[in-house]
Amino acid sequence: DTGVSQDPRHKITKRGQNVTFRCDPISEHNRLYWYRQTLGQGPEFLTYFQNEAQLEKSRLLSDRFSAERPKGSFSTLEIQRTEQGDSAMYLCASSPTGGNTEAFFGQGTRLTVV
Amino acid sequence: GENVEQHPSTLSVQEGDSAVIKCTYSDSASNYFPWYKQELGKGPQLIIDIRSNVGEKKDQRIAVTLNKTAKHFSLHITETQPEDSAVYFCAASISDSWGKLQFGAGTQVVVTP
Repeated sequence: DTGVSQDPRHKITKRGQNVTFRCDPISEHNRLYWYRQTLGQGPEFLTYFQNEAQLEKSRLLSDRFSAERPKGSFSTLEIQRTEQGDSAMYLCASSPTGGNTEAFFGQGTRLTVV
Repeated sequence: GENVEQHPSTLSVQEGDSAVIKCTYSDSASNYFPWYKQELGKGPQLIIDIRSNVGEKKDQRIAVTLNKTAKHFSLHITETQPEDSAVYFCAASISDSWGKLQFGAGTQVVVTP
């Protein structure tokens, strides 16, 4: 396993369409995190999972956003009715059991809403 | 909530010189402070981290210092090389899950040969 994998790397969509991104964490990492990064800014926390349980959601995660991790392995992040303001890099990270260990980030999915 | 401020926003150094990036945090409960390096089109890569019970940590050319009283921490890169050019982010965590981070706004470091 070479690291956190995200798919697709790039996505261009029209405003109003739904999009879904996938994240495969490092094997046996039970914690998985989603972040959003806009141009020139640091990543902003969106949500995280421990196994299949979604433990915390940021206020940034509006009701158009939903994340799942049904089997405690890969995770999906869906954005419904996309808006131009959703254009950003969506980053996924994972960390090993226990939580008090560093998080490793994937390469991200670059979303452009036109 | 936690707020992390990072300075400077851009830093230009000559190859071989040192680079220093400074961050302050607001929540005294923060207990973990990582630094990430991000190259264009890539995700952040952890380069060094420090826990709240340690004042300094060094790894080859990179060192981090933490002053809990003043609530600030710094990244020091010595003998800079062109491949050190990237955006560097500091972050802080007050959670028992150290993947939940509050990031600074980043510092664009440019190392000129």
